[in-house]
Amino acid sequence: NAGVTQTPKFQVLKTGQSMTLQCAQDMNHEYMSWYRQDPGMGLRLIHYSVGAGITDQGEVPNGYNVSRSTTEDFPLRLLSAAPSQTSVYFCASSPTGTGSYEQYFGPGTRLTVT
Amino acid sequence: SQKIEQNSEALNIQEGKTATLTCNYTNYSPAYLQWYRQDPGRGPVFLLLIRENEKEKRKERLKVTFDTTLKQSLFHITASQPADSATYLCALYSGYSTLTFGKGTMLLVSP
Repeated sequence: NAGVTQTPKFQVLKTGQSMTLQCAQDMNHEYMSWYRQDPGMGLRLIHYSVGAGITDQGEVPNGYNVSRSTTEDFPLRLLSAAPSQTSVYFCASSPTGTGSYEQYFGPGTRLTVT
Repeated sequence: SQKIEQNSEALNIQEGKTATLTCNYTNYSPAYLQWYRQDPGRGPVFLLLIRENEKEKRKERLKVTFDTTLKQSLFHITASQPADSATYLCALYSGYSTLTFGKGTMLLVSP
């Protein structure tokens, strides 16, 4: 199993540009989520999904869109990038059958918005 | 909303000693609490979970305690090694399928 994969590893955007961060998992996990990690702020939840076709907002959803058309994929879209979105983004998945939501994280995408 | 406090200062210890990291939370007691390890430039890795009705959980050299009265969890690494150097994150189940993470404590184990 590859686990949770994320692409790209690094990205530089100009203010106003759009892009999609890709996330895929091959563990058949129903639950997937996106976090951003900033120095001194810890991990903050952006959006999450409890299954295909179901998404919900986390703590910091503004400026981001998600969709979940398959169990495997959970892309994060930045519609109009802003410097405040400079961060490291982590995708995670979790098996829901255990009821404990232990997260399996991807390697992260480091995004810089200039 | 749930708030989590982890010591923001790095913990420096010598190899072979026991490292103890603290996670304090406010508001309601979560159904369970998790600990993760994060190395520089990598995603967090799940280590241990402890439920509210469990006082203590062990896994090899790791031990976690959960005191719902004090609203505190302690994370211990016995016989610490330089390879244990990393940032350790505490996370609480916030309800509605979400976790709230602490900011993490960096552990440095010197030979």
